[in-house]
Amino acid sequence: GQQVMQIPQYQHVQEGEDFTTYCNSSTTLSNIQWYKQRPGGHPVFLIQLVKSGEVKKQKRLTFQFGEAKKNSSLHITATQTTDVGTYFCAGSWGKFQFGAGTQVVVTP
Amino acid sequence: EAQVTQNPRYLITVTGKKLTVTCSQNMNHEYMSWYRQDPGLGLRQIYYSMNVEVTDKGDVPEGYKVSRKEKRNFPLILESPSPNQTSLYFCASSFAGGGQGGFEQFFGPGTRLTVL
Repeated sequence: GQQVMQIPQYQHVQEGEDFTTYCNSSTTLSNIQWYKQRPGGHPVFLIQLVKSGEVKKQKRLTFQFGEAKKNSSLHITATQTTDVGTYFCAGSWGKFQFGAGTQVVVTP
Repeated sequence: EAQVTQNPRYLITVTGKKLTVTCSQNMNHEYMSWYRQDPGLGLRQIYYSMNVEVTDKGDVPEGYKVSRKEKRNFPLILESPSPNQTSLYFCASSFAGGGQGGFEQFFGPGTRLTVL
């Protein structure tokens, strides 16, 4: 069954607002990756987190890996229409599995 | 240009008619993988390969076969397709990492398959 869970499944955001999507695992992960898929496109790698408690930033995107390495979050500030798409986390623990994704819709 | 290519991009077929979806990468990656994407289920791994002649099952391998005779190619074979294999398929490659993760995966453009 699915061991990497993402919430929410859908996120409607007004342009300019912030939002956060979460990724949870029932298993301790060795690393976690985040990908973005634009509508009609293919997944594109955003970042990888490896260390417990790690925080990485890419412009308006902030990625965090939990202290227990069982959860991760992606926080986007001042959402823009270019942020539209589905964001996937992918965890590795000897196996490798993607979450179901958070589909983000941005209202101008 | 570094890329993963898939062919065909779109395919409509009938139940039971064998088909192959090709995948090729030009980045000298050891690791290659096939995923299917269905609404609400995200990307589910079908098969993966850590290197030439080394393949293993992912989460949803039933009804699929793969082979890895050359480093650059990783075809996906549906010997007797059924309607429940209608889906969007992605091939991906990366340098090999422990536990399958560890390195950025590069995805192909996808193959949309419809089985009638």
